[in-house]
Amino acid sequence: DAEITQSPRHKITETGRQVTLACHQTWNHNNMFWYRQDLGHGLRLIHYSYGVQDTNKGEVSDGYSVSRSNTEDLPLTLESAASSQTSVYFCASSESSGLADTDTQYFGPGTRLTVL
Amino acid sequence: DQQVKQNSPSLSVQEGRISILNCDYTNSMFDYFLWYKKYPAEGPTFLISISSIKDKNEDGRFTVFLNKSAKHLSLHIVPSQPGDSAVYFCAASDNGGATNKLIFGTGTLLAIQP
Repeated sequence: DAEITQSPRHKITETGRQVTLACHQTWNHNNMFWYRQDLGHGLRLIHYSYGVQDTNKGEVSDGYSVSRSNTEDLPLTLESAASSQTSVYFCASSESSGLADTDTQYFGPGTRLTVL
Repeated sequence: DQQVKQNSPSLSVQEGRISILNCDYTNSMFDYFLWYKKYPAEGPTFLISISSIKDKNEDGRFTVFLNKSAKHLSLHIVPSQPGDSAVYFCAASDNGGATNKLIFGTGTLLAIQP
């Protein structure tokens, strides 16, 4: 069965360190997204990609970067982790047929990141 | 500026009764709306959606109603079951499938009481 996985599921790091969160999907979806979930804010878009070599900034992109070298993976990198980046991070993917109903996104299980 | 709003952070409903979750939006360009359900320590899962050309969509116990003039949608769950206890997120998309970007609300925690 097709799926979307994230690793690690839990991560504790220190302020200033570089951290990379992995996202891997076997849906063969062109579109991939990274969100963070914080109390009172819901899900906020960090970065997204419509295909290989394509990346775009979302609503809360400062301090984060992504790269898309293949269809299956969209790793999220925190260049220099800050305490404000303590959050739960979700990766998602969707098709891109151009029809409205392909806006449905399928989410991974999440990564809980703590920055001390 | 929150374009998708869920004004009730939490809702408690007795088992077997109807649960009604509400969502308001401000952007008249939104043309596709979705509801996601999220259990603790899991990712959100797609529940039901509705296109702006419709005013109602039904799937088993779940019905979504869309009132475009009021920029309001609601999710009805009937009858409510203990497994429905979760956080529910409303999401909206503009420009059809061209962007595939979703704007999420802040979520409503639904607790079903036995």
